[in-house]
Amino acid sequence: QKEVEQNSGPLSVPEGAIASLNCTYSDRVSQSFFWYRQYSGKSPELIMSIYSNGDKEDGRFTAQLNKASQYVSLLIRDSQPSDSATYLCAPSGGNEKLTFGTGTRLTIIP
Amino acid sequence: DVKVTQSSRYLVKRTGEKVFLECVQDMDHENMFWYRQDPGLGLRLIYFSYDVKMKEKGDIPEGYSVSREKKERFSLILESASTNQTSMYLCASSLDLPGNYGYTFGSGTRLTVV
Repeated sequence: QKEVEQNSGPLSVPEGAIASLNCTYSDRVSQSFFWYRQYSGKSPELIMSIYSNGDKEDGRFTAQLNKASQYVSLLIRDSQPSDSATYLCAPSGGNEKLTFGTGTRLTIIP
Repeated sequence: DVKVTQSSRYLVKRTGEKVFLECVQDMDHENMFWYRQDPGLGLRLIYFSYDVKMKEKGDIPEGYSVSREKKERFSLILESASTNQTSMYLCASSLDLPGNYGYTFGSGTRLTVV
């Protein structure tokens, strides 16, 4: 079992709709969770962090965390073409380093 | 804003060459990391450093070494480049434990070994 699992996609979502990106992780001691956005040919950029169970909202982005289910998700409301990118999930495990999923490629269709 | 600067955006090197990838951060971050990113494999940790002169092996250190002589600079060294080291190399830094603030990445170096 991979440490961090994400659906590789591509996930295609119409412009203006909600994009839902999911991530499961295996390290039960993970306490902090980060979502990175990576445009093609560019480096990852931190867009959201979440530390407690529940929802955290920042503009059009909402991160959701359920530690009991070892599940974290990212919702993007009112999706825009500029949201087309690969999204990386990164829990911080017991060793305090980030472990990255392979990412979900999201395409917003105008 | 924290800036993490990688000296080269693209590099082409020959098999057997010794290759230096440089990374400099300007915000006094304690922790620095080197990853490589390959399609289908994601980001894999090569080496990291929590302090000057300190280094720790990551998940795939074979064929690589690092140097951290100053706090702001973390260099990755490919002792004898091979074609299977063709990859995107990403440097990252964090102010504190990564679990507190996450990483800031540099712009990456795409290395091709021919």
